Amino acid sequence: EVQLVESGGGLVQPGGSLRLSCTASGFTFSNYDIHWVRQATGKGLEWVSSIDTDGDTYYRGSVRGRFTISRESAWNSLYLQMDSLRAGDTAVYYCARGSRVASGDYVYFDYWGQGSLVTVSS
Amino acid sequence: DIQMTQSPSSLSASVGDRVTITCRASQSISSYLNWYQQKPGKAPNLLIYAAYTLQSGVPSRFSGSGSGTDFALTISSLQPEDFAVYYCQQSYSTPYTFGQGTKLEIK
Repeated sequence: EVQLVESGGGLVQPGGSLRLSCTASGFTFSNYDIHWVRQATGKGLEWVSSIDTDGDTYYRGSVRGRFTISRESAWNSLYLQMDSLRAGDTAVYYCARGSRVASGDYVYFDYWGQGSLVTVSS
Repeated sequence: DIQMTQSPSSLSASVGDRVTITCRASQSISSYLNWYQQKPGKAPNLLIYAAYTLQSGVPSRFSGSGSGTDFALTISSLQPEDFAVYYCQQSYSTPYTFGQGTKLEIK
């Protein structure tokens, strides 16, 4: 059974740091891109960052330079280091597996974790 | 960034109704379009990928169509468990933007 479990969320002051983890099981972790998607309370979904199977990383503009995504295949784990946090970063953060159709072009998020709440407040 | 606009933002319908939710991209995205369903307090669930391919395990009453800039998600006969929020997402280029969501409510 494919599972993704996030951890590391909590309350942090503006300007502070937090590291989220996502532990995967039930599939060959190194064969998939992994993504972070966030959702503020009562709001829509917002893609944050991703790391592909080659270790290449991608970020949305508002977090580039503040957030760092990484993966450790030996531990089937994904991380999101979040620095210089702002009130606008408050959200539930989901990790999601990125699958591709056979051609390799079409990306879709077929498994999601349960989410980890990050609250940035003084 | 590619902007995704869904309509309507909310929709009231009855069990057994046929409903369609539309999604428009700010530029052509070919068929790089996914649809998700989200229920309160839960993670999103993939319904359709690559515009019209039904994800394994998703009921056949869900279908997707469109290409380029205009897409649609159709539910042929609403069931009680279908009342939720629906999101489209483009995977043409990062950032992989989502629509603002369509809340499907019971009439």
